[in-house]
Amino acid sequence: SQKIEQNSEALNIQEGKTATLTCNYTNYSPAYLQWYRQDPGRGPVFLLLIRENEKEKRKERLKVTFDTTLKQSLFHITASQPADSATYLCAPATGYSTLTFGKGTMLLVSP
Amino acid sequence: NAGVTQTPKFRVLKTGQSMTLLCAQDMNHEYMYWYRQDPGMGLRLIHYSVGEGTTAKGEVPDGYNVSRLKKQNFLLGLESAAPSQTSVYFCASTPGLAEYQETQYFGPGTRLLVL
Repeated sequence: SQKIEQNSEALNIQEGKTATLTCNYTNYSPAYLQWYRQDPGRGPVFLLLIRENEKEKRKERLKVTFDTTLKQSLFHITASQPADSATYLCAPATGYSTLTFGKGTMLLVSP
Repeated sequence: NAGVTQTPKFRVLKTGQSMTLLCAQDMNHEYMYWYRQDPGMGLRLIHYSVGEGTTAKGEVPDGYNVSRLKKQNFLLGLESAAPSQTSVYFCASTPGLAEYQETQYFGPGTRLLVL
């Protein structure tokens, strides 16, 4: 069955450092993969989408890579700030019109 | 634009009671989704709709029914609530599946407690 894995342990980093979050998937080949941010008590908010024919995508301090051979996506936040503290969800496309979300990784950025 | 709104924000039900959760979007989106989110389980798709009058089952559809009579509204029904349906329910919508239209826009969530 299709499986998506994100590190369940919270990632603690210091302000100014680069945060790197990992998303691994097995048993399928998504055409694209999305990353979302979720703050406590709120719905997820879209951040970036990367397609299978793209190696890397950037948006301001965010960078996403997509390695279809390793079946892995990495999500980087450079020059991290306390306001970046949140849970980050990866969501590979699992069908023509649906996504499957990973359980998310909590990021904590300390001043 | 209000985006995606959900009604109610919070509800307490007794086992066996029924209720309907309403999702509304004002972005003229074609596709709409209902998810539930439980601690340690992540977001799981309950049902979805690819257009007015259509519905389809997701990963965890048992115990739920949905209807999409109007394009802007997607209703999620619980006919006989069970404690296992205690969760946070999120609705989402997306413009469609053309390139650059796959982003999902989420509502603020409905917290449901079934006693």
